[in-house]
Amino acid sequence: GENVEQHPSTLSVQEGDSAVIKCTYSDSASNYFPWYKQELGKGPQLIIDIRSNVGEKKDQRIAVTLNKTAKHFSLHITETQPEDSAVYFCAASTDGNQFYFGTGTSLTVIP
Amino acid sequence: EADIYQTPRYLVIGTGKKITLECSQTMGHDKMYWYQQDPGMELHLIHYSYGVNSTEKGDLSSESTVSRIRTEHFPLTLESARPSHTSQYLCASSGAGGPREQFFGPGTRLTVL
Repeated sequence: GENVEQHPSTLSVQEGDSAVIKCTYSDSASNYFPWYKQELGKGPQLIIDIRSNVGEKKDQRIAVTLNKTAKHFSLHITETQPEDSAVYFCAASTDGNQFYFGTGTSLTVIP
Repeated sequence: EADIYQTPRYLVIGTGKKITLECSQTMGHDKMYWYQQDPGMELHLIHYSYGVNSTEKGDLSSESTVSRIRTEHFPLTLESARPSHTSQYLCASSGAGGPREQFFGPGTRLTVL
């Protein structure tokens, strides 16, 4: 099956700086790559996703890039704010029946 | 806010008890999922369903069972709880067709003494 690796496991940034989280996947058939944000005591919530026919997608301060050849995709958060502090997960799926998640990145934004 | 609900939110129970974790969604989604989230925060798929009367096991071996008699309802049952079942259980759903956003419930924190 698919194997998704995520780095770093923890990340601390100063408010206003950028944060980058990277994931790699193993199955070249994977074609959907969502990113989820999980706040304490809540379930994960989708923040952005990208499909394999697109190289980059942006939504305000959040962007995701995908390199299919190298099988890696990254989450970029610019102008970080304290409310961005949470655990972030990447995931990969081929058919929407099974999703394979990365191990999570705990992001802390220091005011 | 996603319309997917889990009950109970917290459960402390003794070894050997039978328990059922409830999950319901009001979005009419065909696909539903159960994940186990360990203390390191990693999510592991334990069961999923394509629709009514379909259930499949995920990659993580689990002693739990699921049923899907109604579209909106996907309960998870442990026949005999053990301390090793202590974990956070997350339910999710998504629409039919190709891969798309999963909507997660708030989770059930289970502790087996």
